[in-house]
Amino acid sequence: QQQVKQSPQSLIVQKGGISIINCAYENTAFDYFPWYQQFPGKGPALLIAIRPDVSEKKEGRFTISFNKSAKQFSLHIMDSQPGDSATYFCAVGDDYKLSFGAGTTVTVRA
Amino acid sequence: DVKVTQSSRYLVKRTGEKVFLECVQDMDHENMFWYRQDPGLGLRLIYFSYDVKMKEKGDIPEGYSVSREKKERFSLILESASTNQTSMYLCASSPNERVEQYFGPGTRLTVT
Repeated sequence: QQQVKQSPQSLIVQKGGISIINCAYENTAFDYFPWYQQFPGKGPALLIAIRPDVSEKKEGRFTISFNKSAKQFSLHIMDSQPGDSATYFCAVGDDYKLSFGAGTTVTVRA
Repeated sequence: DVKVTQSSRYLVKRTGEKVFLECVQDMDHENMFWYRQDPGLGLRLIYFSYDVKMKEKGDIPEGYSVSREKKERFSLILESASTNQTSMYLCASSPNERVEQYFGPGTRLTVT
């Protein structure tokens, strides 16, 4: 069974808007929460990651919000650009293994 | 830059054939992984290896086997390919001290 549930499956946002993708997990043993970005024809690449000792991490226009008590985390893409159009995967990890969500396809309209 | 390469980008095989997918990484990483990616299911772990000649089953190992004879190379083997193994196959690697995984470009396998 999937260790992490990701939503929505897809979203469309206007250029300059905010994209929000949510993930929820059950197992409190996970201690690493990354987001991967995948462009068509490419493998996924790490975008940003967070550990459970902080509630938010920001890198440029990308922010992870982490709610430990609710066992949820989300990716916010601020000022979305057409170049952000991609599939985004959340994942949960412990030691060296990762379990991935189903993915969200983000389309940014110019 | 970490580089993970996969032997083929596209592969078409017939049902019942034995299929080999090869993956090579150039960063001396200890850990290597094979996933399959299907729409709506995300990435599912097939097998992983944390050392040469060592392997562990992932979430969906049925119908697959793996081989790791050298540190840089990890092979996925479909002993008798079936149509339900048509998918995108992704290889990844990671060093022991970090959970971050580096992915190859993927092999799109079609079994007819």
